[in-house]
Amino acid sequence: DAGITQSPRHKVTETGTPVTLRCHQTENHRYMYWYRQDPGHGLRLIHYSYGVKDTDKGEVSDGYSVSRSKTEDFLLTLESATSSQTSVYFCAISEITGYDTQYFGPGTRLTVL
Amino acid sequence: AQSVAQPEDQVNVAEGNPLTVKCTYSVSGNPYLFWYVQYPNRGLQFLLKYITGDNLVKGSYGFEAEFNKSQTSFHLKKPSALVSDSALYFCAVVNAGNNRKLIWGLGTSLAVNP
Repeated sequence: DAGITQSPRHKVTETGTPVTLRCHQTENHRYMYWYRQDPGHGLRLIHYSYGVKDTDKGEVSDGYSVSRSKTEDFLLTLESATSSQTSVYFCAISEITGYDTQYFGPGTRLTVL
Repeated sequence: AQSVAQPEDQVNVAEGNPLTVKCTYSVSGNPYLFWYVQYPNRGLQFLLKYITGDNLVKGSYGFEAEFNKSQTSFHLKKPSALVSDSALYFCAVVNAGNNRKLIWGLGTSLAVNP
């Protein structure tokens, strides 16, 4: 999986609690992305980063925030988790946005009870 | 609106037979097209991409895809399917007019029967 790790790999939490997912890359790629994958919806972009401290919203960003203080780490935070945020979350990286290949991490399965 | 369509939710094929997974797109300008595969409980893996040049693109694991500009299609093909090809396949296209973010199809589940 192209030098990308995600932690935790599985998490069960309760509604209203904060949750942070971590993506770590060893490829020194500039761009990093957070997606969620849900049946019937395919992959949906939550947020992405085009450099340290440079982030932007995707199509389903409500209820999520991100931070990138180092090239190798991209954090996704659910400030107050809801059951609708139960999903599988994937991190991806690319050297150049869009035109270049994105490489994916193994995913984090999050369940919000 | 720019979009990607994978018209078949599921494709079933017998082992050894040729397989095709369909993808059509609608984007402004020249499309950059990608195929990814997802095995159960794994992340997506890149298979191949079309940027420019030859309309027939060869990728990993014996897969290839044909870019057809007039039909706005980018179908994934393999001459002889293996049971191990059973997986979820995603087509994606670059939205050149919107920060160059990928637009994803909903995926096609391929089942190769022994």
